[in-house]
Amino acid sequence: DVKVTQSSRYLVKRTGEKVFLECVQDMDHENMFWYRQDPGLGLRLIYFSYDVKMKEKGDIPEGYSVSREKKERFSLILESASTNQTSMYLCASTGILGYGYTFGSGTRLTVV
Amino acid sequence: GQQVMQIPQYQHVQEGEDFTTYCNSSTTLSNIQWYKQRPGGHPVFLIQLVKSGEVKKQKRLTFQFGEAKKNSSLHITATQTTDVGTYFCAGGGGSQGNLIFGKGTKLSVKP
Repeated sequence: DVKVTQSSRYLVKRTGEKVFLECVQDMDHENMFWYRQDPGLGLRLIYFSYDVKMKEKGDIPEGYSVSREKKERFSLILESASTNQTSMYLCASTGILGYGYTFGSGTRLTVV
Repeated sequence: GQQVMQIPQYQHVQEGEDFTTYCNSSTTLSNIQWYKQRPGGHPVFLIQLVKSGEVKKQKRLTFQFGEAKKNSSLHITATQTTDVGTYFCAGGGGSQGNLIFGKGTKLSVKP
């Protein structure tokens, strides 16, 4: 069964900390995505990558960066965590851009 | 920018009743996809529709894609408690080839 694995299910970090969220997929997919999900706001795209070392800004990239050094791994970085970044973060991947996404189980991040 | 509007935001039904959620796009979509997110879970891909006027069925679920490829619906016949969750539509053809997600319809089913 294909999988997208996110390293942590729950995280609690302090304001100002640098936070790394890791995502690994085993499907040899070129395209990977980071979303945040908040009540009433749905899924909002932060960054995506369509190849190793490539990255593109999504709708809400401010305060975030990403890294894709290997095809299977896509990392989301919060440079200096703030309380308004408390959210559920979902990683997804797809072999064909714009077609069925496989999501990870999510990381619920709380910034205190 | 491109948007996919989804209604209703919430729907409460009695078990056995039918349920429908609707998606409308401001632009023509290359395809429409539907996802289900169980409470505490993550979105899971259900189906993709590509052709104008396409209708697909999965057991009690019926998915339609409009003739103009700007709207879609998901209909569940005789809901069960296992249908509880949030249903998202997502339109293909967004900027840079990405999906445009609707905000979802949260379905609750009273036994």
